[in-house]
Amino acid sequence: EIVLTQSPGTLSLSPGESATLSCRASQSVSSSYLAWYQQKPGQAPRLLIYGASSRATGIPDRFSGSGSGTDFTLTISRLEPEDFAVYYCQQYSTFGQGTRLEIK
Amino acid sequence: QVQLVESGGGLVKPGGSLRLSCAASGFTFSDYYMSWIRQAPGKGLEWVSYISSSSSYTNYADSVKGRFTISRDNAKNSLYLQMNSLRAEDTAVYYCARVGPRGVNKLGLDAFDIWGQGTMVTVSS
Repeated sequence: EIVLTQSPGTLSLSPGESATLSCRASQSVSSSYLAWYQQKPGQAPRLLIYGASSRATGIPDRFSGSGSGTDFTLTISRLEPEDFAVYYCQQYSTFGQGTRLEIK
Repeated sequence: QVQLVESGGGLVKPGGSLRLSCAASGFTFSDYYMSWIRQAPGKGLEWVSYISSSSSYTNYADSVKGRFTISRDNAKNSLYLQMNSLRAEDTAVYYCARVGPRGVNKLGLDAFDIWGQGTMVTVSS
């Protein structure tokens, strides 16, 4: 079974800065099926990125995804106050443990 | 608009049963794989089960295999999760989610592109 490890566990940044979140797979996975989600407190997760780099409908272009094989990255440029949340990567039936992005 | 609405959660004793429902609207339900995903309080996301568009294929997490059953009624645009022999560790918010248009194949499971608001299941004596 594939394990997805996200780092860092918590990232503290200020609005306007850029965030780089990592998702590492225990073995090579298809980038076509690597997704990223955002979850705010008390809300359901929301799909941000699918196929490692394609933005879901309505997702601002400050969110971008990249990577292949075992290493994937979610980059959020020009952080807005509403971007502070927990982010999960997912491949098949496995989710990473999440990265909490908090306001510094 | 595209929407998923779960219902059926509640408090149940260990060993008990519960049936969750998910009502879909705004899209052609019968075209999509569907899934259940759960989140224990303060924890991350855990995939529970998925079902193919025609109910031909189902798959379950090892943690629920043999206890939970996923089903759907395309005529009613509804997804279900029958949960038996419930345990304290099944306590979680249960989300219904749509699997993206590529569904499931040997390369992977498409992203969960639409989520419901979730329904809370508490297993406690």
